[in-house]
Amino acid sequence: QQQVKQSPQSLIVQKGGISIINCAYENTAFDYFPWYQQFPGKGPALLIAIRPDVSEKKEGRFTISFNKSAKQFSLHIMDSQPGDSATYFCAASIGSNYQLIWGAGTKLIIKP
Amino acid sequence: KAGVTQTPRYLIKTRGQQVTLSCSPISGHRSVSWYQQTPGQGLQFLFEYFSETQRNKGNFPGRFSGRQFSNSRSEMNVSTLELGDSALYLCASSPLGQADYGYTFGSGTRLTVV
Repeated sequence: QQQVKQSPQSLIVQKGGISIINCAYENTAFDYFPWYQQFPGKGPALLIAIRPDVSEKKEGRFTISFNKSAKQFSLHIMDSQPGDSATYFCAASIGSNYQLIWGAGTKLIIKP
Repeated sequence: KAGVTQTPRYLIKTRGQQVTLSCSPISGHRSVSWYQQTPGQGLQFLFEYFSETQRNKGNFPGRFSGRQFSNSRSEMNVSTLELGDSALYLCASSPLGQADYGYTFGSGTRLTVV
């Protein structure tokens, strides 16, 4: 019940296309859902986050869509660029808990 | 504002040895978490320290330990190294440790056990 399942494991998208990464959870107590972006040789960095009181949050080309009834959330990258090539992690936590539950990660490659 | 500093960046150790990794959090941050990252297992939580006290612990054997100093700098130690301990070890700093404040990660220490 504490798991966050992330798919796909890897994704190749053409430049200018839309990249979509999905995550699913079981624990309905989760109420904070961040996405982290990790470039090779670097640690993950917070990209965007959402709470379940909204269905969508957009920051630039990055959008989180949240479906509370389906217990799923996804990251959409519009107009994907080669610089977006990275590993993306979804995660979840309960309130101001001190620990994130992480998805397994998605390696995204944007082909020029 | 300086980021999270992890030293050393790379380390090669022999099976059976022990190793100590260091993490200096962002100034003013009192929480430091440690993670193990491997290609097959993703990000695995090791432990979290806040004000020199271990507040949370992941599911790792007792060979993995840590501590935090009064200036919030943290060290983690792995004793009796095994080949399977080869991984990228990341530390994450945050003001109070709450997940919804966001974590700032260092670039990690790449440990190779031979």
